[in-house]
Amino acid sequence: NAGVTQTPKFRILKIGQSMTLQCTQDMNHNYMYWYRQDPGMGLKLIYYSVGAGITDKGEVPNGYNVSRSTTEDFPLRLELAAPSQTSVYFCASSYWTGGHNEQFFGPGTRLTVL
Amino acid sequence: KNQVEQSPQSLIILEGKNCTLQCNYTVSPFSNLRWYKQDTGRGPVSLTIMTFSENTKSNGRYTATLDADTKQSSLHITASQLSDSASYICVVIRDTDKLIFGTGTRLQVFP
Repeated sequence: NAGVTQTPKFRILKIGQSMTLQCTQDMNHNYMYWYRQDPGMGLKLIYYSVGAGITDKGEVPNGYNVSRSTTEDFPLRLELAAPSQTSVYFCASSYWTGGHNEQFFGPGTRLTVL
Repeated sequence: KNQVEQSPQSLIILEGKNCTLQCNYTVSPFSNLRWYKQDTGRGPVSLTIMTFSENTKSNGRYTATLDADTKQSSLHITASQLSDSASYICVVIRDTDKLIFGTGTRLQVFP
């Protein structure tokens, strides 16, 4: 199993550009998540999904969009990139969040908006 | 307000020494508490997961404790190794599906 994979690893955008961060998991997990991690700060939830076709906003959803057409894929779309979106983005997946169900994280995408 | 606070922010120890990291939370209702290790430039990796009824859980040289009454948890690392250098993140789950992350403790182990 590859686990959770993310592409690209690094990206530099100009203000106003758009891009899609890709996330794929091969563990047949129901739940998938997108987080951002700013320097010296804890991870903040952007969006999450409890299954194909179902998505919901997290703590900091403004400026982002997601879709979940398959169990495996959960892309994050940035429209009109802004410098405030400079961050490291992590995708994660789990069967669910309760009990001892572990959450697995991808390696991250480092995004810089100039 | 649902918060997770970790201390210290950073810690430097010599290889072979023990250390303890602290996590205090005000999250309610509590579902479970997790400790993650995050190496520089990598995603977090789960170390332990504890539910309300669990007081102690070990994973090799890592031992986590939970006091649900005082809303405190600790992560004890025994006989530290250079590879233990990382950030350690405490996460509390609220309502079974909402994760509240602490800002982490950055540990550096020197030879």
